[in-house]
Amino acid sequence: GDSVTQTEGPVTVSESESLIINCTYSATSIAYPNLFWYVRYPGEGLQLLLKVITAGQKGSSRGFEATYNKETTSFHLQKASVQESDSAVYYCALGDLNTGKLTFGHGTILRVHP
Amino acid sequence: EAAVTQSPRNKVTVTGGNVTLSCRQTNSHNYMYWYRQDTGHGLRLIHYSYGAGNLQIGDVPDGYKATRTTQEDFFLLLELASPSQTSLYFCASSDTNNQAPLFGEGTRLSVL
Repeated sequence: GDSVTQTEGPVTVSESESLIINCTYSATSIAYPNLFWYVRYPGEGLQLLLKVITAGQKGSSRGFEATYNKETTSFHLQKASVQESDSAVYYCALGDLNTGKLTFGHGTILRVHP
Repeated sequence: EAAVTQSPRNKVTVTGGNVTLSCRQTNSHNYMYWYRQDTGHGLRLIHYSYGAGNLQIGDVPDGYKATRTTQEDFFLLLELASPSQTSLYFCASSDTNNQAPLFGEGTRLSVL
């Protein structure tokens, strides 16, 4: 079946440091998967951070970016300089264009220290 | 403004109890979903629907029923709740065409 594997957390970094959260996927039942990063800030619901629907393309939002790499089946999330307000749980997800169903990774807790 | 609203936000019940979780979307989306989120598992799809009266089985449907009464409203039913169903439940809606599903804020359910 389809699956998503992402960096085990928690990940702890200091403010202004760089960040990478790894995400790899296996899309056995989806011909043209879409890839997403969602984020859940403390006390809030799940919200979209960025999405990429075409292999080879890069998505970006709020200083985060991720590139859809079909060859390595990866969609790593990166940020050059994190802020304390980036502390949250980050979920990588694989989407089926036809049904809108998402397959999620287990989530990565990010803690940013001032 | 696009929105998905879940109610209640928190619920406590006892083993064997009957629980209904509600979800309403005002986005005119055709698709709606129920997920559960547990530590170490990420979100897992329980049921989803293409439109009023339609129901599709997700990846972890056992112990759950769902009903889509209108385009806006999607309900998740636990008729005999068990402690294993203690979880955080998310509802989402989308109008596929490469659109990212929009999520509600979640319902935290505890089954004692």
